[in-house]
Amino acid sequence: GAVVSQHPSRVICKSGTSVKIECRSLDFQATTMFWYRQFPKQSLMLMATSNEGSKATYEQGVEKDKFLINHASLTLSTLTVTSAHPEDSSFYICSVGTGGNQPQHFGDGTRLSIL
Amino acid sequence: AQRVTQPEKLLSVFKGAPVELKCNYSYSGSPELFWYVQYSRQRLQLLLRHISRESIKGFTADLNKGETSFHLKKPFAQEEDSAMYYCALTLSYNTDKLIFGTGTRLQVFP
Repeated sequence: GAVVSQHPSRVICKSGTSVKIECRSLDFQATTMFWYRQFPKQSLMLMATSNEGSKATYEQGVEKDKFLINHASLTLSTLTVTSAHPEDSSFYICSVGTGGNQPQHFGDGTRLSIL
Repeated sequence: AQRVTQPEKLLSVFKGAPVELKCNYSYSGSPELFWYVQYSRQRLQLLLRHISRESIKGFTADLNKGETSFHLKKPFAQEEDSAMYYCALTLSYNTDKLIFGTGTRLQVFP
């Protein structure tokens, strides 16, 4: 299955900072990647679907100007949390879709803490 | 709206005891159901999916459309089964979009 690397694993920064999270597919050319967010004791919620070479598809209620997604190559998608505030503190997880109704492969996640 | 419900946040059993992690879903179409597992300090990974009808690490799950359930079962729990378990579904018209339950933590005591 696909190997997914997510970086960084943990970020602590001040309010107002923009934070970039990278998701790399190490052994699979992924046309589709997914970004999830998980608040404490809650479920993983899909934020957006990242499509290589085109605009991301955002889920209802997710601000596309707040959470910028770039999927410029078949192996890299980035999520930038712009002007982060404490309420953006969460666990962000990416996954790679390998297509053909195959299961997604997940990264280790990034814990974002905004002070 | 589509929803996955895992009523138990924590399930504690002793080694060798049977385990059943409950999962119910609400969706009017034909979903595909999954169980994902996250062991301590590891990433989320697929445990099993209903269309495969497999037994993985002794776990099985049967899709019951009448009860809209997909409970995960194992007859004899092992300590290494201790982990976080998430039930999830994909929609029939969008097989990429996963909808997760809130998860159940399984603790297996020696």
